[in-house]
Amino acid sequence: DSGVTQTPKHLITATGQRVTLRCSPRSGDLSVYWYQQSLDQGLQFLIQYYNGEERAKGNILERFSAQQFPDLHSELNLSSLELGDSALYFCASSPRLEGWYNEQFFGPGTRLTVL
Amino acid sequence: DAKTTQPNSMESNEEEPVHLPCNHSTISGTDYIHWYRQLPSQGPEYVIHGLTSNVNNRMASLAIAEDRKSSTLILHRATLRDAAVYYCILLSGNTPLVFGKGTRLSVIA
Repeated sequence: DSGVTQTPKHLITATGQRVTLRCSPRSGDLSVYWYQQSLDQGLQFLIQYYNGEERAKGNILERFSAQQFPDLHSELNLSSLELGDSALYFCASSPRLEGWYNEQFFGPGTRLTVL
Repeated sequence: DAKTTQPNSMESNEEEPVHLPCNHSTISGTDYIHWYRQLPSQGPEYVIHGLTSNVNNRMASLAIAEDRKSSTLILHRATLRDAAVYYCILLSGNTPLVFGKGTRLSVIA
């Protein structure tokens, strides 16, 4: 158990819909990262927040957005869903901002299925 | 982006040592070498990281070549639980983790 929690575990929805994925980082961790893992694209970095502020962006679509709240939990919002958005979405947390000495702790993931 | 090259797959017998290679010929002086693994149906898990010197922890050892252009993750006694995809990643500053295809390790009982 990494200490990172993600809800829900599974989500099934239809094309065009909007969903929100939630992540609670390890106690005291200030950085939260979101990743998408699909069969064809592998594990891809989406976005990072540090203490409530966006710090780095990866291959995140404009239909996707995220935020980190004052209690440090984070939400990833996915809208106008397409079949290709079906994937595993992982959240990770780490205590500091800099990555080179940072171990990231990953949650168990949310499996999104778009029908 | 700094890139790494790993074999697609490797196989090991249970309780034997496993050496997982990684080539990173374009590594810069500020890049740390990180290893993560992903067990089936789980999120990635940190294994070990290092800069220049060899590193040991409870999970594995990391051997880094003197010119830093390659490294080897060593699992001293593979168990069935070590069957996973192993990722070698270069990190510096606040760069995000960039996962390649990794090496799929199979462990045979």
